[in-house]
Amino acid sequence: AQSVTQPDIHITVSEGASLELRCNYSYGATPYLFWYVQSPGQGLQLLLKYFSGDTLVQGIKGFEAEFKRSQSSFNLRKPSVHWSDAAEYFCAVVITGTASKLTFGTGTRLQVML
Amino acid sequence: KAGVTQTPRYLIKTRGQQVTLSCSPISGHRSVSWYQQTPGQGLQFLFEYFSETQRNKGNFPGRFSGRQFSNSRSEMNVSTLELGDSALYLCASSLDGTSTDTQYFGPGTRLTVL
Repeated sequence: AQSVTQPDIHITVSEGASLELRCNYSYGATPYLFWYVQSPGQGLQLLLKYFSGDTLVQGIKGFEAEFKRSQSSFNLRKPSVHWSDAAEYFCAVVITGTASKLTFGTGTRLQVML
Repeated sequence: KAGVTQTPRYLIKTRGQQVTLSCSPISGHRSVSWYQQTPGQGLQFLFEYFSETQRNKGNFPGRFSGRQFSNSRSEMNVSTLELGDSALYLCASSLDGTSTDTQYFGPGTRLTVL
């Protein structure tokens, strides 16, 4: 079965600093990969997704992610973090060719210091 | 276009009771998926409905059930509530629920079982 690992439970960065959130997946073929963000008391908002093609994907709010097949990774990055980016971030995977059943990682909580 | 709406936003029930949660998808979306979010288990897929048929099911006991109506609105029901059912229940809709389809999440229903 496919799985997603987010090794960092909690990350703290200063406002204006760069950010990288790690995500590793376990799946035989190339899955479809997603990053979602959840603010307190809110649902999930899609930041970006990767299906195929260019391995560097641009998303909303200045986020980007890079798919690295050799490392089974799909890390999320942002060059300069804003205080409003404080939230929980989830990496998710869908098995290609199946109905949309997202398998989520455990999430990384981002704290931003002013 | 209105987003995914879920009602009610908050619910308090006691053990043994049953509960029904409602989800209205984005207009034109025919697939509705349900997820349970808890601190211990994270985000877990419950089931997916498409054109009034359950197309995909997660690993939850039979106490968890759902249905979808002809207008794509969906309900999920939990019978004989247990303390462990306390969670945020998220609904997501997509156009046709294929693996490349983007799922849009509602704000969730926070269920507390006492």
